[in-house]
Amino acid sequence: DQQVKQNSPSLSVQEGRISILNCDYTNSMFDYFLWYKKYPAEGPTFLISISSIKDKNEDGRFTVFLNKSAKHLSLHIVPSQPGDSAVYFCAAIDRGSTLGRLYFGRGTQLTVWP
Amino acid sequence: DAGVIQSPRHEVTEMGQEVTLRCKPISGHDYLFWYRQTMMRGLELLIYFNNNVPIDDSGMPEDRFSAKMPNASFSTLKIQPSEPRDSAVYFCASSLSGGSSYNEQFFGPGTRLTVL
Repeated sequence: DQQVKQNSPSLSVQEGRISILNCDYTNSMFDYFLWYKKYPAEGPTFLISISSIKDKNEDGRFTVFLNKSAKHLSLHIVPSQPGDSAVYFCAAIDRGSTLGRLYFGRGTQLTVWP
Repeated sequence: DAGVIQSPRHEVTEMGQEVTLRCKPISGHDYLFWYRQTMMRGLELLIYFNNNVPIDDSGMPEDRFSAKMPNASFSTLKIQPSEPRDSAVYFCASSLSGGSSYNEQFFGPGTRLTVL
């Protein structure tokens, strides 16, 4: 049972344009959300996060938006660069849970072409 | 710091054989996680430890899978007997506890397992 869903397995964007990666979740207890980036033959690395008390968090070219009522978040990359080509995982956590585990989506493969 | 270390990086074995994957977490981290990545299920948590004690093993698919953490610097994930459907990339990750806050998980490079 996927509590975090990334319904687009792949996204292709031209260099310089905006990339928008989407993520939906079902558990209303999630209060912290993260994006991880993964290159081939490497482990995922943390990219950006957002707390449920905010609706936007920005870090350079990367911005994450959170819509709690829709249980939806998105990652915007502007402008996109070829080096951004990777698999992006959305993840969520209920920080009040004693279990303290992350729930990941299946990932979206982003390809940025010149 | 060398980061999370996993070995081997690649493993090819035949169905029915025992497979042991190894992980050395970042020194000082008290949480250790084992994940499996497949095309169908994405990144799924198998088991995790806090201070060497298993906390949640509900993601372990079958009794063929077992994990141990004998000390703070070493963990193993064992599959016995292995089956072709176990073919996947297995990641180990570690983090430092931070009370009610979330602390970043650092992932190793993964072990690509192929069971023929």
